[in-house]
Amino acid sequence: QSALTQEASVSGTVGQKVTLSCSGNSNNIGSYAVGWYQQISHGAPKTVMFGNSLPSGIPDRFSASQSGTTASLTISGLQPEDEADYYCSTWDYSLSAQVFGGGTKLTVL
Amino acid sequence: EVPLVESGGDLVQPGGSLRLSCAGSGFTFTSYWMTWVRQAPGRGLEWVASIKEDGSDKYYVDSVKGRFTISRDNTKNSLYLQMNSLRVEDTAVYYCARGTLTIFGVALYWGQGTLVIVSS
Repeated sequence: QSALTQEASVSGTVGQKVTLSCSGNSNNIGSYAVGWYQQISHGAPKTVMFGNSLPSGIPDRFSASQSGTTASLTISGLQPEDEADYYCSTWDYSLSAQVFGGGTKLTVL
Repeated sequence: EVPLVESGGDLVQPGGSLRLSCAGSGFTFTSYWMTWVRQAPGRGLEWVASIKEDGSDKYYVDSVKGRFTISRDNTKNSLYLQMNSLRVEDTAVYYCARGTLTIFGVALYWGQGTLVIVSS
């Protein structure tokens, strides 16, 4: 069982806005910024957001927010190439460990 | 992109040992936390271990404590994971990841991974 909770699957159509959520507690998301990682067909993960920052090369249709013990990744204007597994992660100070969510499979219809 | 290249993955018998390496380039290696993350077949990402910039602090997931050791050689821009007493459940692709300057506990760049198979 993962320390962070994500939806198992989310789907959307091309051009649609979708939001993926990541739920934790005061020891992790409530205290630290969250990273979001994209993994296409079990290839190497790629960071698409860290905190509210967009890594170089990531399209600005990706954005993130965080409130209390929940974080969200929003993709505005969904594209076929966005179909992937998405993971959230952050530090947990009570565990002294980095924790991951179980991942959300995003399907672009 | 920031190249991170892992090596050392192999097929090993249960109880055996393996040492993974990760070579970093194109950035000031001494400025960043470094992390190992693994992914078992058909499973999600799992954090394994992290090490502070100067190697003074190290953290491990409970399942590898006492068996795995993370280390770094900043003179060689390299990260290592010494894995002892390997178990079948350690079978996974192991990724090396670099942290950020501004956010703790988050990876910014990832390597391509190296496959470890523990099987008799």
